[in-house]
Amino acid sequence: KNEVEQSPQNLTAQEGEFITINCSYSVGISALHWLQQHPGGGIVSLFMLSSGKKKHGRLIATINIQEKHSSLHITASHPRDSAVYICAVKNYGGSQGNLIFGKGTKLSVKP
Amino acid sequence: NAGVTQTPKFQVLKTGQSMTLQCAQDMNHEYMSWYRQDPGMGLRLIHYSVGAGITDQGEVPNGYNVSRSTTEDFPLRLLSAAPSQTSVYFCASSWVAGTGGSYSGANVLTFGAGSRLTVL
Repeated sequence: KNEVEQSPQNLTAQEGEFITINCSYSVGISALHWLQQHPGGGIVSLFMLSSGKKKHGRLIATINIQEKHSSLHITASHPRDSAVYICAVKNYGGSQGNLIFGKGTKLSVKP
Repeated sequence: NAGVTQTPKFQVLKTGQSMTLQCAQDMNHEYMSWYRQDPGMGLRLIHYSVGAGITDQGEVPNGYNVSRSTTEDFPLRLLSAAPSQTSVYFCASSWVAGTGGSYSGANVLTFGAGSRLTVL
């Protein structure tokens, strides 16, 4: 069983829709990252969470440590949001450089 | 611009050749890592470093070598390239935010643009 599971694997939405991507993990963590990988391949860090909720523009990330679950929400989605969204966790007590990655959720937003 | 610089962006090798992927960061990050990304799989850790002079193996270290002589540079060496090493490689650096608040014990991650390697 993968230690980090993302759902859905693929998601197609119409422009303007509210989008939710989920991440569940099975290990104790000290932090969780949401990353965005553009069609060109570059990876950008969107959020780093250890508790609660963060918001940046149309993006909202939440984490529930007790349930070992995080969600990434995109409000008023736009075609430029089309990308692969990756969840990554840092094992609690694990080496600093060692992150565990989900396989990603491929989002396509149609105009 | 501050960030992580990876070179080359593309490389084609023949089986058995050796090469070095370069990674440099100018943010004074302590931690640097190399990952490979293959279709249908998440990013997998090859090697990482928690500071100059200190390196350790990740999930898939075989066939790769690293060194960290300075804080800025973390090159990845392929000793004798094999077709199984065809992949996209990412270097990343991170720092540990101060304790307290929502950033306690967590990292801020910066990735390089990636290097696409094909081994024939």
